[in-house]
Amino acid sequence: QVQMVQSGGGLVKPGGSLRLSCEASGFYLSDYYMSWIRQAPGKGLEWISYISKSGSTIYDADSVKGRFTISRDIAKNSLYLEMNRLRVEDTAIYYCARSFEYNWFDPWGQGTLVTVSS
Amino acid sequence: EIVLTQSPATVSLSPGSRATLSCRASQSIGYYLAWYQQKVGQPPRLLIYDASKRATGTPTRFSGSGSGTDFTLTIGSLEAEDFAVYYCQHRRNWLFTFGGGTKVEIQ
Repeated sequence: QVQMVQSGGGLVKPGGSLRLSCEASGFYLSDYYMSWIRQAPGKGLEWISYISKSGSTIYDADSVKGRFTISRDIAKNSLYLEMNRLRVEDTAIYYCARSFEYNWFDPWGQGTLVTVSS
Repeated sequence: EIVLTQSPATVSLSPGSRATLSCRASQSIGYYLAWYQQKVGQPPRLLIYDASKRATGTPTRFSGSGSGTDFTLTIGSLEAEDFAVYYCQHRRNWLFTFGGGTKVEIQ
C-alpha cells in the first residue's frame, strides 16, 4: 500500500528551526519526484519545494528560498524539510506529496501542523 | 508566473444537483490542469489530471473539461460526500501553482 507518514511538526518561536519528516512505504523515493506543499490556516494550497528522482535537482518557491531545504534519505526511504529562520507567516499544515505523471500530486501525506508564534 | 483564478469562491447546492466549477488561467496552459478535492481535516486528493482524465478511484460523476485558459470541473449529481473544497493546479517548468479554491457547501 502506497502511503507517506509525516512527523516533526510543532510549536516554534520566530527565528527558530524545525525539521519535518515524511516516511514513504509501498514505493521507493528514488523512483519518484517529491514535493512539499503547505496550507496556512483556512487558506489555500502553496507548493514550496521539489526534489527530483535522482536528488540532483531541487526547486524552491521564492517564499522559502534560502530558509528551507528539502532532502531525502534513500536508505530510510524518507523525505525531509529542514526549516530555518521561521516566520509567523510560515504557520501552516505541511504536506509531503508524490508526483504523479510528472506534473501532479498523488498521493499526499496526512499533513503536519507547524505553528510559529512567540 | 501562471495565475489560476477559481470561481465561484463558494457555491451552495443541494444533494442531487449539478455543480459546475471554473478555473481560469492567466495565459494558455494547454491541457495541463488538475483538480483536487479536499475535505475538512484531510489532505487533498487528486480527482482529475490533464484537464479531463479521471484519477484512479474518481467516480464517473466527476468530469473535467477545457483547454487553453478556461477549465471546468463538473459534478453530475452531488452526493453528500462531495461537499468539500476543490482546487485546480498547474505546473510550468519548475513552478507549481494552485487556484484559490471553490467551496461546495450544502444548501
